[in-house]
Amino acid sequence: DAGITQSPRHKVTETGTPVTLRCHQTENHRYMYWYRQDPGHGLRLIHYSYGVKDTDKGEVSDGYSVSRSKTEDFLLTLESATSSQTSVYFCASSPNSGSGNTIYFGEGSWLTVV
Amino acid sequence: AQSVTQLGSHVSVSEGALVLLRCNYSSSVPPYLFWYVQYPNQGLQLLLKYTTGATLVKGINGFEAEFKKSETSFHLTKPSAHMSDAAEYFCAVSDGQGAQKLVFGQGTRLTINP
Repeated sequence: DAGITQSPRHKVTETGTPVTLRCHQTENHRYMYWYRQDPGHGLRLIHYSYGVKDTDKGEVSDGYSVSRSKTEDFLLTLESATSSQTSVYFCASSPNSGSGNTIYFGEGSWLTVV
Repeated sequence: AQSVTQLGSHVSVSEGALVLLRCNYSSSVPPYLFWYVQYPNQGLQLLLKYTTGATLVKGINGFEAEFKKSETSFHLTKPSAHMSDAAEYFCAVSDGQGAQKLVFGQGTRLTINP
């Protein structure tokens, strides 16, 4: 398994506050991703990165921003948290593009917005 | 756009019985197909994947899946269920181009009865 660590693993925050989730990978993977998991929806892509400082939007990007200043780190920021952003967030990475390369997932970050 | 439909949000089988989890996909390009398993409070682990070539794919833990283009299906099977197979299973599709932006089904929770 790829060495992907997420922090914090659990967080409770108040509506309107900014929140940053961190993802760190030790495999020198080029691509990194943030997904959210909600009952009945499976996992949905929020943002992804195809290199340092290179990011793009996914399916559910509204209210989220990302940054990647180093190959190994990918940050997800909720600019002003809302209750609808209560979810489990998964970071993932993959070594290169195309050809069905495996995407490896972290353990998840449980976020509750009250 | 690509999409995945998993038939049955919950499946229950007896220990030793056949496991069949259904997945149908929609894709305008040749699909790359994946099955992931998620144990409680953990991240996703790849079970198997189809990229090109042999349509019957064998994965870990005795699971296999068959890609049927004519039926746009990628059903997951295991001949004999074990208690340790209890988990949530996700089918996913990508176009294999650029970053691997997986589109997931909503998931199927598998329960094993003793």
